[in-house]
Amino acid sequence: QKEVEQNSGPLSVPEGAIASLNCTYSDRGSQSFFWYRQYSGKSPELIMFIYSNGDKEDGRFTAQLNKASQYVSLLIRDSQPSDSATYLCAVNQGGKLIFGQGTELSVKP
Amino acid sequence: NAGVTQTPKFQVLKTGQSMTLQCAQDMNHNSMYWYRQDPGMGLRLIYYSASEGTTDKGEVPNGYNVSRLNKREFSLRLESAAPSQTSVYFCASRVDSSYEQYFGPGTRLTVT
Repeated sequence: QKEVEQNSGPLSVPEGAIASLNCTYSDRGSQSFFWYRQYSGKSPELIMFIYSNGDKEDGRFTAQLNKASQYVSLLIRDSQPSDSATYLCAVNQGGKLIFGQGTELSVKP
Repeated sequence: NAGVTQTPKFQVLKTGQSMTLQCAQDMNHNSMYWYRQDPGMGLRLIYYSASEGTTDKGEVPNGYNVSRLNKREFSLRLESAAPSQTSVYFCASRVDSSYEQYFGPGTRLTVT
């Protein structure tokens, strides 16, 4: 079992819709979780982090964490074509980040 | 404030050649990291440095060496490049009070 798992996609949503990206992790001791956005040919860019169970909102982005289910998600409201990118989930384990393979999101105009 | 910088941006090597990838950060972070990214494999940690003078192996250290020259700089060396090392290499540094990492622009390396 991979330590951090994401559906590779591609996930395709129409402009204006909500995009839902999911991530599961295997280490129950993990305490901090991160979402990175990576445009093609560019480096990963940190967009959200969450440490506590529940929801954390920042603009159009909401991160959701459920430690009991070992599940973290990212919701993007009012999706725009500029949101089309690969989204990487990362979990902190002992000061090191373990990354999922990423989910490719395509927002169609 | 440039954040994390990497040189070179692109490099082509022949099998057996050596090279050093350079990374520097101006955010006064203690921890720095080297990753490689391959299609379908995600980001994998090669080496990291928790502080000046210390380095530790990550998930895929074979074929690489690192040097933490000072607090700002963390270099990655390929002593004898192999085609399997064709990849995109990212350097990152970490905020000391949390676990957020910030990435450099990457080096695209091709070994023929």
